[in-house]
Amino acid sequence: EDQVTQSPEALRLQEGESSSLNCSYTVSGLRGLFWYRQDPGKGPEFLFTLYSAGEEKEKERLKATLTKKESFLHITAPKPEDSATYLCAVQAGNAGNMLTFGGGTRLMVKP
Amino acid sequence: DADVTQTPRNRITKTGKRIMLECSQTKGHDRMYWYRQDPGLGLRLIYYSFDVKDINKGEISDGYSVSRQAQAKFSLSLESAIPNQTALYFCASQAGVLETQYFGPGTRLLVL
Repeated sequence: EDQVTQSPEALRLQEGESSSLNCSYTVSGLRGLFWYRQDPGKGPEFLFTLYSAGEEKEKERLKATLTKKESFLHITAPKPEDSATYLCAVQAGNAGNMLTFGGGTRLMVKP
Repeated sequence: DADVTQTPRNRITKTGKRIMLECSQTKGHDRMYWYRQDPGLGLRLIYYSFDVKDINKGEISDGYSVSRQAQAKFSLSLESAIPNQTALYFCASQAGVLETQYFGPGTRLLVL
């Protein structure tokens, strides 16, 4: 059974304090790993897709990386507006290409 | 305007009532999905549809049914609501198998 675990569950940072969120996965036949941002009361908003180990993608203060067992979402010099829940999901061929989501990391950035 | 819309945004109902949640998308996608989100559990797949004539059960389909009225519309029904169906419900659409899923704003459902 595919499993996706995100850590930590919650993270409090001061503005400007860089950190990383982790998404570890156990799947057979990874097709893609997706990162989403979710604000309270809203649906998940797409950030990145990573397809193979070693791949990296960046957007503003966010950088996502992928290895064969985990993905990291690095946040550089975060601002209060980066506060949200970050969701990781994997798509695997053995799961009919459906997405399996982790439980999310709730990030709070204080000014 | 939002590409994926859901109605209602909030709903309170009583145990045993039948309710329907509706989803529409303007992205022209063939694939549509229904998920529920519970605190700490992430999103779990209820039903999915790859085209109007194709409906499939997801991980947690018991107690739910769906209808794909058109390419753009996918409805979720709770035949007889129970309190443990209280959750956030999200609809998503997708262009193809490895493409991004785009989510609606969600429906917050409370079953008393």
